[in-house]
Amino acid sequence: AQKITQTQPGMFVQEKEAVTLDCTYDTSDQSYGLFWYKQPSSGEMIFLIYQGSYDEQNATEGRYSLNFQKARKSANLVISASQLGDSAMYFCAMRVLNTNAGKSTFGDGTTLTVKP
Amino acid sequence: DSGVTQTPKHLITATGQRVTLRCSPRSGDLSVYWYQQSLDQGLQFLIQYYNGEERAKGNILERFSAQQFPDLHSELNLSSLELGDSALYFCASSVASDSSYNEQFFGPGTRLTVL
Repeated sequence: AQKITQTQPGMFVQEKEAVTLDCTYDTSDQSYGLFWYKQPSSGEMIFLIYQGSYDEQNATEGRYSLNFQKARKSANLVISASQLGDSAMYFCAMRVLNTNAGKSTFGDGTTLTVKP
Repeated sequence: DSGVTQTPKHLITATGQRVTLRCSPRSGDLSVYWYQQSLDQGLQFLIQYYNGEERAKGNILERFSAQQFPDLHSELNLSSLELGDSALYFCASSVASDSSYNEQFFGPGTRLTVL
């Protein structure tokens, strides 16, 4: 079974500063993907970034980067130059790959508040 | 806009009732996933369909059922509703059955309130 742990229920960051949201995972599978989603107050789930377990380089997507440390089983999301619109709930998720089932396991989420 | 549509957006009903949530995947996507997001359980996977067939099952109650139709839209049926079924129900779709990485695109969700 897979498990995702997000230990920060809430985080605050000053506008234009960088922030790191923590995520650790547990799985016995070798091939898996790690995802981050953003859920604003409106409720929709927005895909941010993906990291595969065999990817050697950390994933980056614009202001989002994923600090992947496989040995420590962590996949932290780094948001650079925070903006007010980044205030939202952020979920870390994982999915075992190379199976016929694509269910994702989600963490409990971190609420990020960006202060002006 | 992810391209995944869900109806209705909001649903208010009473305990003991039955409701049907509908999802239309993105054009070309064969897989549909249902997730439940509640305050006490977080975001949980319920069930996946791939091209009309059930592919994976998660923490779905026996009172809940789903199906995927030939046109690939999916319906989630919730019966004998209880107060604890109040939640945001998401549908997501992806191209394949996730034998390799395929991003799942989430719909806007259906907010169910059971009174």
